[in-house]
Amino acid sequence: SQELEQSPQSLIVQEGKNLTINCTSSKTLYGLYWYKQKYGEGLIFLMMLQKGGEEKSHEKITAKLDEKKQQSSLHITASQPSHAGIYLCGADLTNAGKSTFGDGTTLTVKP
Amino acid sequence: DAGITQSPRYKITETGRQVTLMCHQTWSHSYMFWYRQDLGHGLRLIYYSAAADITDKGEVPDGYVVSRSKTENFPLTLESATRSQTSVYFCASREGWMQPQHFGDGTRLSIL
Repeated sequence: SQELEQSPQSLIVQEGKNLTINCTSSKTLYGLYWYKQKYGEGLIFLMMLQKGGEEKSHEKITAKLDEKKQQSSLHITASQPSHAGIYLCGADLTNAGKSTFGDGTTLTVKP
Repeated sequence: DAGITQSPRYKITETGRQVTLMCHQTWSHSYMFWYRQDLGHGLRLIYYSAAADITDKGEVPDGYVVSRSKTENFPLTLESATRSQTSVYFCASREGWMQPQHFGDGTRLSIL
């Protein structure tokens, strides 16, 4: 989706390294959602951010929503092979009830 | 078991055939969605529903039909399957606006 841009498209990191994935919107984000998908499986909901400046953590994964509510970052500390997969951001850009999704970031963690 | 279930998980069919993908959720969520996921295109919304008997087109609705006679079910029908509809299809539901969507495990559909 061009309304929601994710970067990078793919990422290869050595186990133990930190990494960041970004999600940038061309519109104000009313709700921002991060999902993880393993190959051949469904999307698993990780975290939701709604307020500008909000930060949430789930195990070693931290997500932030910037003050202007147009960008979110997902940061993984000390990456592990279990973190490998596709990370997608989704967002409510209107109040129409449907969300817009980014194209995803494929993360590979090398042992 | 509570959650959202899709059936079948895998389906192979031939061009021109009608095929229906099923989606069932046990949360009584108002919203339900159908997406297709293809390499290079990410998740694309086919149809969605805000409540029983209310459906709306998404980004790629052509060739698909949906219905929602009951809150918990949202079947997706390909009336005359084409090879371009080979994809992985995901159903999702959400309680309301500014609530996360919860996804099924997907249906991998191959059209020969």
